[in-house]
Amino acid sequence: AQSVAQPEDQVNVAEGNPLTVKCTYSVSGNPYLFWYVQYPNRGLQFLLKYITGDNLVKGSYGFEAEFNKSQTSFHLKKPSALVSDSALYFCAVRQFSGGYNKLIFGAGTRLAVHP
Amino acid sequence: SAVISQKPSRDICQRGTSLTIQCQVDSQVTMMFWYRQQPGQSLTLIATANQGSEATYESGFVIDKFPISRPNLTFSTLTVSNMSPEDSSIYLCSVGEEVHEQYFGPGTRLTVT
Repeated sequence: AQSVAQPEDQVNVAEGNPLTVKCTYSVSGNPYLFWYVQYPNRGLQFLLKYITGDNLVKGSYGFEAEFNKSQTSFHLKKPSALVSDSALYFCAVRQFSGGYNKLIFGAGTRLAVHP
Repeated sequence: SAVISQKPSRDICQRGTSLTIQCQVDSQVTMMFWYRQQPGQSLTLIATANQGSEATYESGFVIDKFPISRPNLTFSTLTVSNMSPEDSSIYLCSVGEEVHEQYFGPGTRLTVT
């Protein structure tokens, strides 16, 4: 079965500093990987995805993620953090099972950006 | 991207009762998904609802507890039946096709007392 792991429950960053939210995956075959963000009292918003091609994927709100096959990682990054980036971030992997494509989510990482 | 609305946005219910959550999409989609997010936890897929067929439930979820309807390509409902406090969660619907990303509704926050 496909799975993703987010090793950090929380990441603390000062505003203006670069941020990284870590994700590692375990899949059979080619991985389809996603990042989502959840702001308080809101649904999930899609940030970016890796399907194939360039290992550096750019997404919404200035976020990017680097796919690293040898390290089975898909870390989310941003060069300069904003206080408004404070939210819950989920990494996810696609799994094909029972005739359907499903998303399997990691446990989530809470990002806190301090002024 | 699809725009998804859910009703109600939140509710407080008594144990033993049932609540039906509605999910409306602004475009026709084949696949709709229902997730549960328990307090402080990640999302867990409850079932996949494909229009014109019975919903497919994930391990640990059964139709008697979470009946789903999918009458057309823009609408679905999830009912949480015979509720207990353990059912207190955020319930989210989403849509997505094949390898594309899924888009999520704003969620329904359910508290069972």
